[in-house]
Amino acid sequence: DIQMTQSPSTLSASVGDRVTITCRASQSISSWLAWYQQKPGKAPKLLIYKASSLESGVPSRFSGSGSGTEFTLTISSLQPDDFATYYCQQYNSYLTFGGGTKVEIK
Amino acid sequence: QVQLVQSGSELKKPGASVKVSCKASGYTFTSYAMNWVRQAPGQGLEWMGWINTNTGNPTYAQGFTGRFVFSLDTSVSTAYLQISSLKAEDTAVYYCASVPGWEPLWGQGTLVTVSS
Repeated sequence: DIQMTQSPSTLSASVGDRVTITCRASQSISSWLAWYQQKPGKAPKLLIYKASSLESGVPSRFSGSGSGTEFTLTISSLQPDDFATYYCQQYNSYLTFGGGTKVEIK
Repeated sequence: QVQLVQSGSELKKPGASVKVSCKASGYTFTSYAMNWVRQAPGQGLEWMGWINTNTGNPTYAQGFTGRFVFSLDTSVSTAYLQISSLKAEDTAVYYCASVPGWEPLWGQGTLVTVSS
């Protein structure tokens, strides 16, 4: 089974900061990686698919990069609406999720 | 419009059963696997397994064998998750998810609450 290791688990940041979240796969998943944002009581919202493709309607301050086993989600300038929990998900073989990163107000 | 629409919230007593539905539209249902994902209160996302929508063959992840059953009704493009002998720890939001293209597609989630 493919394991996904996401870091950090918690991140404290201020509005305007550049934020980077990392996800590492236990084996190569090519580019079959998605990033989600989740707020309390809501379903996960797809931000990025196929490692770097921006979902329609998602602000361009979100970007994804990587392939193989190392991936990053970057928020170029953190906005108040971005304080949430973020998950990575591989879909190369079944589905596996990272443990999540909670982005908190510093 | 490509979408997955799930059934509504359920409140059940311990020992009862529940069946959650997930109706697909906008794509060929039998061409793409259907996955089920659980999110317990305050916890992360956990893959429960998948069902081959062409053959009906299910595969269950570790920890989801025995009381959990995936099934289909291909005539109405719908997948089902049935949980029997419900326990308090089954309280969670259950999501169906598929990948009918380059990007994952999720249902809106179904809250199952188990309480006496």
